[in-house]
Amino acid sequence: DTAVSQTPKYLVTQMGNDKSIKCEQNLGHDTMYWYKQDSKKFLKIMFSYNNKELIINETVPNRFSPKSPDKAHLNLHINSLELGDSAVYFCASSQATGAGGELFFGEGSRLTVL
Amino acid sequence: GENVEQHPSTLSVQEGDSAVIKCTYSDSASNYFPWYKQELGKRPQLIIDIRSNVGEKKDQRIAVTLNKTAKHFSLHITETQPEDSAVYFCAAKGSNYQLIWGAGTKLIIKP
Repeated sequence: DTAVSQTPKYLVTQMGNDKSIKCEQNLGHDTMYWYKQDSKKFLKIMFSYNNKELIINETVPNRFSPKSPDKAHLNLHINSLELGDSAVYFCASSQATGAGGELFFGEGSRLTVL
Repeated sequence: GENVEQHPSTLSVQEGDSAVIKCTYSDSASNYFPWYKQELGKRPQLIIDIRSNVGEKKDQRIAVTLNKTAKHFSLHITETQPEDSAVYFCAAKGSNYQLIWGAGTKLIIKP
C-alpha cells in the first residue's frame, strides 16, 4: 500500500493554464505539506496543514492555492502557470508538528511549463 | 531568519572510503536534526535523526554527531557503496517546530 500518493506523476502544460495536483495519505497523520524542488534540488516548503488548517504559508505567489478537504488529502491548485513554476512538487505527511516527526514523501509530481 | 548551511555541495569519494557531510544551524533552540537521502528520480527518505539530548547516534554504516555548543551536526557514512550515491539533506527543527532544510549534498561513489 502506498503511504503518500500524489497524482499526476508528470504534468506538461502551456504557460497561462491552470492545473491541480492531488495528494492523499493513508498513514493517519495529522499534518500534510507541499514542497517544491527546483532543478538545483533545493527543497522549499510551500504550505503545511494540520488537521485541515493552514499552519505554514511560505512566500509563494497567490496563484498557488492549497485545499484540504479532510486531513488525509491536500491538493494543490496552480493558476496562470509560468515558466518558473516548472519543478518537482512533493507532498508529504507527518504524525507530529512538535519535536521529531518523520516526513513521509510522495513520489513527486514533475511539472513542466512550456 | 533561521537557516541551515550544508557543506560540501558535492562530495566524490572512492568506494569503500568514508564520507562526511556537515551542517550548521542558526537557531540555538533547535532540538531535532534529521537526515534525508534522495536517490535520483526518487523521493527523499529519512535515514537517521538525532535529538538535542544525544551527542551521537549510529545505525550500521551511518552515524550522526551533534555539537550543540558549536551548533553543528554531521553525517558519517563508512565503507561507502555504490548504492550510497544520492543527494543527502540535513534539516533542523527549531522552537517554532518548522523544519529548516540544508541545500543538499550530492554524494558520488567512484568505483
